[in-house]
Amino acid sequence: DQQVKQNSPSLSVQEGRISILNCDYTNSMFDYFLWYKKYPAEGPTFLISISSIKDKNEDGRFTVFLNKSAKHLSLHIVPSQPGDSAVYFCAARITGTASKLTFGTGTRLQVTL
Amino acid sequence: DVKVTQSSRYLVKRTGEKVFLECVQDMDHENMFWYRQDPGLGLRLIYFSYDVKMKEKGDIPEGYSVSREKKERFSLILESASTNQTSMYLCASLEGGRIGSYEQYFGPGTRLTVT
Repeated sequence: DQQVKQNSPSLSVQEGRISILNCDYTNSMFDYFLWYKKYPAEGPTFLISISSIKDKNEDGRFTVFLNKSAKHLSLHIVPSQPGDSAVYFCAARITGTASKLTFGTGTRLQVTL
Repeated sequence: DVKVTQSSRYLVKRTGEKVFLECVQDMDHENMFWYRQDPGLGLRLIYFSYDVKMKEKGDIPEGYSVSREKKERFSLILESASTNQTSMYLCASLEGGRIGSYEQYFGPGTRLTVT
């Protein structure tokens, strides 16, 4: 049972344009969401997070939006750069579980010149 | 600076061998995790530990065991490796007790091939 879903396995965007990566979840007990970025042959690195009490969090070129009623979050990258080409995972934490995260299946973003 | 290291980047083992994957973190974190990453399946939690000698099963613990004798070191053990355990293995750590901060720090991963 995949509780965190990333329905787009891949996405191609031109340099300078906006990249929008989507994530859907089914468990209403998730209270904190994170995005990770992963290059080939490297471990994932933390990118940005959002608490369920907020609907938006921004950090430079990266913004995460949370729509609790739709159980949907999205990561916006503006403007997209070639170095953003990577696999992006969304992850979620269940209230009260302290430290355990549930990850999505990932979306491969390719930023073209 | 946060650092999680894994003993090998690439490993090739034969079916039936006992395999040890080592992970060390230098941040004095209480929590440590082992995941495997497979195409189309994302990261799946195998085991985690929230203190020395404490462990809990994750979502896919079958065929694996773990050991945490010291705070900084978390080992994943494949008792008898099988070809379906060919995967990328990722170790992560997390500081305990910080409300509102659940960011796990990952090591570079070990690409294990079982032939």
